[in-house]
Amino acid sequence: EAGVVQSPRYKIIEKKQPVAFWCNPISGHNTLYWYRQNLGQGPELLIRYENEEAVDDSQLPKDRFSAERLKGVDSTLKIQPAELGDSAVYLCASSFGVAGVSEQYFGPGTRLTVT
Amino acid sequence: DAKTTQPNSMESNEEEPVHLPCNHSTISGTDYIHWYRQLPSQGPEYVIHGLTSNVNNRMASLAIAEDRKSSTLILHRATLRDAAVYYCILYETDSSYKLIFGSGTRLLVRP
Repeated sequence: EAGVVQSPRYKIIEKKQPVAFWCNPISGHNTLYWYRQNLGQGPELLIRYENEEAVDDSQLPKDRFSAERLKGVDSTLKIQPAELGDSAVYLCASSFGVAGVSEQYFGPGTRLTVT
Repeated sequence: DAKTTQPNSMESNEEEPVHLPCNHSTISGTDYIHWYRQLPSQGPEYVIHGLTSNVNNRMASLAIAEDRKSSTLILHRATLRDAAVYYCILYETDSSYKLIFGSGTRLLVRP
């Protein structure tokens, strides 16, 4: 069974440029998460989807970040414009149902470097 | 948000058991205790979770104190592949349904 797929794995951009990350969750998983992980810290949730609906986006910086999950499967996270402080690893995860007693499956992440 | 406290780092010898402690004195009755680990350059990986009773799976065992204010993740025979950052997380089922990661414990395994 394929795991959570993310692309690209690495991205280097100049500040003020836009960038987008793509995630394909495990087949059948209705809940999808985007996390950001800064160096030396644990992941921090940005947004959680249940099917197509964003049910928790309280930690998403809405002035420059946006996300979508069309048809309740793949998802895209966008930053426009990027700032130096956005350099981090962006992780996508999925789970079947709401992850409480069930586990979340994480992708390998996209490492973003903003110069 | 519930908090957990873990040592920053621990060391172990290969093929020896490892006990990774976690304190969670503010845990409430409905909070689950989850453990994830993160190998270098990879996303976190689920290890185990529990509520009140001790739990075993193919990867590890979870020992939960009777008052639930602490728990211990037990790796029965550490291998070099177990070198990772281990996160102890309280999952609050009556709130926002999200995993709140701390800084974790970096486990070093000596050959």
